[in-house]
Amino acid sequence: SQTIHQWPATLVQPVGSPLSLECTVEGTSNPNLYWYRQAAGRGLQLLFYSVGIGQISSEVPQNLSASRPQDRQFILSSKKLLLSDSGFYLCAWSVTLARTGKNTEAFFGQGTRLTVV
Amino acid sequence: AQTVTQSQPEMSVQEAETVTLSCTYDTSESDYYLFWYKQPPSRQMILVIRQEAYKQQNATENRFSVNFQKAAKSFSLKISDSQLGDAAMYFCAYRSAESSGNTPLVFGKGTRLSVIA
Repeated sequence: SQTIHQWPATLVQPVGSPLSLECTVEGTSNPNLYWYRQAAGRGLQLLFYSVGIGQISSEVPQNLSASRPQDRQFILSSKKLLLSDSGFYLCAWSVTLARTGKNTEAFFGQGTRLTVV
Repeated sequence: AQTVTQSQPEMSVQEAETVTLSCTYDTSESDYYLFWYKQPPSRQMILVIRQEAYKQQNATENRFSVNFQKAAKSFSLKISDSQLGDAAMYFCAYRSAESSGNTPLVFGKGTRLSVIA
């Protein structure tokens, strides 16, 4: 069965420090991968998605970047964190169905609560 | 662009009673998927139910069922025999199925459901 791992679970970082959040998926190949951010009391905002190694689409221009160095690994980074980067970050995956070429549901990791101080 | 609206920021229900959460969406497409996700206090996003737009029959998963009204672009979630463990944030989500490849999920802002013992 497929599983998704996301770490760390919580992180407290000072303003101006770098960030690296990692997400890996097991049990499937060539997944579509996503990074979402959830601010306190709000819905989910799509940050980045990737359909393959080295292929990254950015939805919101900001202080963050994403990379996909391996098929099942997705990394969210920042060179210098801002206070506004605080939030709950969720990694997710889905697959494109071979028969239809369509995606259905996405499956989420357990999230990382980032507090920038 | 597609949008998803959840007009009820908060709802409450007595244990063992039934509650309905509302969701409307805006799209010009005819082929898409709709989802309800549950986010308990642990904050992991859990898929509750999925509806394919071309299927007229409403999806059902145990105590969870939907009322899908395609013409009205409405997708409500009914929870029967509510249990304390149903207390969570519930998110309605949309995914286009008209183009092949990756189309990210679009989420509503969520409804916080409280269950009263």
